[in-house]
Amino acid sequence: SQTIHQWPATLVQPVGSPLSLECTVEGTSNPNLYWYRQAAGRGLQLLFYSVGIGQISSEVPQNLSASRPQDRQFILSSKKLLLSDSGFYLCACNRQGPETQYFGPGTRLLVL
Amino acid sequence: AQSVTQLGSHVSVSEGALVLLRCNYSSSVPPYLFWYVQYPNQGLQLLLKYTSAATLVKGINGFEAEFKKSETSFHLTKPSAHMSDAAEYFCVVRPPGTYKYIFGTGTRLKVLA
Repeated sequence: SQTIHQWPATLVQPVGSPLSLECTVEGTSNPNLYWYRQAAGRGLQLLFYSVGIGQISSEVPQNLSASRPQDRQFILSSKKLLLSDSGFYLCACNRQGPETQYFGPGTRLLVL
Repeated sequence: AQSVTQLGSHVSVSEGALVLLRCNYSSSVPPYLFWYVQYPNQGLQLLLKYTSAATLVKGINGFEAEFKKSETSFHLTKPSAHMSDAAEYFCVVRPPGTYKYIFGTGTRLKVLA
């Protein structure tokens, strides 16, 4: 089965600083990849998904961007962080088709 | 648009009691349905999934869920709660023909000794 790695586990950044969160996947090829944000006490909000290298779909207009430079690598970025970007960021993947999503351990981001 | 409703953001049960977490979806076509569990500061783990096979689905840790098309429901149950079941539970829908997974807002389960 798939294994998803995310780093860092925790990150504290000042407002206006850049952001780069990385997600890598093992155990499958050509997966669909997803970035979610989970605010405290709330459900998961889909931010981006990708069905192939260089293919990014954005779900919500915001201060973030995503890239997929390699088949099993998914990066979430920001040029200037806002306070509202704080949250728990989860990377997920599934094989092509109606398959189960597997989740990484998450990155907790606190913007001060 | 597709949506998922989880009734009750917080549910408390006594240890050994029945666990029932409710989930209703809106869809004209039966979607794929999932239940995930999240322990504090961790990612989500799949409990079980329905993909148009048997309507009663058994998952890990003694959980099961029944797909009822007439009620558009996919409630999660466990006959006897254990302290280790305390966590947040998410009902998830994936409409056929899409890449997106739609999450409910979650139900936090508390198990009382």
